[in-house]
Amino acid sequence: KAGVTQTPRYLIKTRGQQVTLSCSPISGHRSVSWYQQTPGQGLQFLFEYFSETQRNKGNFPGRFSGRQFSNSRSEMNVSTLELGDSALYLCASRDGGRNTIYFGEGSWLTVV
Amino acid sequence: SQQGEEDPQALSIQEGENATMNCSYKTSINNLQWYRQNSGRGLVHLILIRSNEREKHSGRLRVTLDTSKKSSSLLITASRAADTASYFCATVINNAGNMLTFGGGTRLMVKP
Repeated sequence: KAGVTQTPRYLIKTRGQQVTLSCSPISGHRSVSWYQQTPGQGLQFLFEYFSETQRNKGNFPGRFSGRQFSNSRSEMNVSTLELGDSALYLCASRDGGRNTIYFGEGSWLTVV
Repeated sequence: SQQGEEDPQALSIQEGENATMNCSYKTSINNLQWYRQNSGRGLVHLILIRSNEREKHSGRLRVTLDTSKKSSSLLITASRAADTASYFCATVINNAGNMLTFGGGTRLMVKP
């Protein structure tokens, strides 16, 4: 089985722009969650989707949004980018039977 | 805020030695998962231990869980240079879906 796939791997954006990151979960996994990793704040939960519905949301401003499609693929969007949004964004999918949560390689976002 | 705290924050050992990392958390959990992260990469799932389990093994890894003390430990035996990475514990809190709450991580360096 292919693992969790995230695209793009690296991107550079300018302040004020918006960005969309994509995640394809492991085949058969219906739960997808997103995390932000920064040196200062560590790994923080953004949101979780299950069957196209947001099930949990972390403590992030409304500029951060996401969605999940019927094939379980997910996207997250950050609007009006700020320098502090520079981070590694990680997507994860869950094996419902074993509760194990698997991560992708992440998308490195640099805001300049 | 982070659920878990890891100790030590950094650990340097010689190849062949054992490495022990500890994790403490604050609230009741469903399960606790350990991950490895090589620099700039995604998180690799190592082991999951459920709240009703006390110890699990996987190859050179041994994880213990003490729910009365709200703590877990990860032991890597006979370490190798390739084990150099950051190690994170993450908890799934009761009734929180699949939201993982991470500790700050332990940076392990294994010297050849």
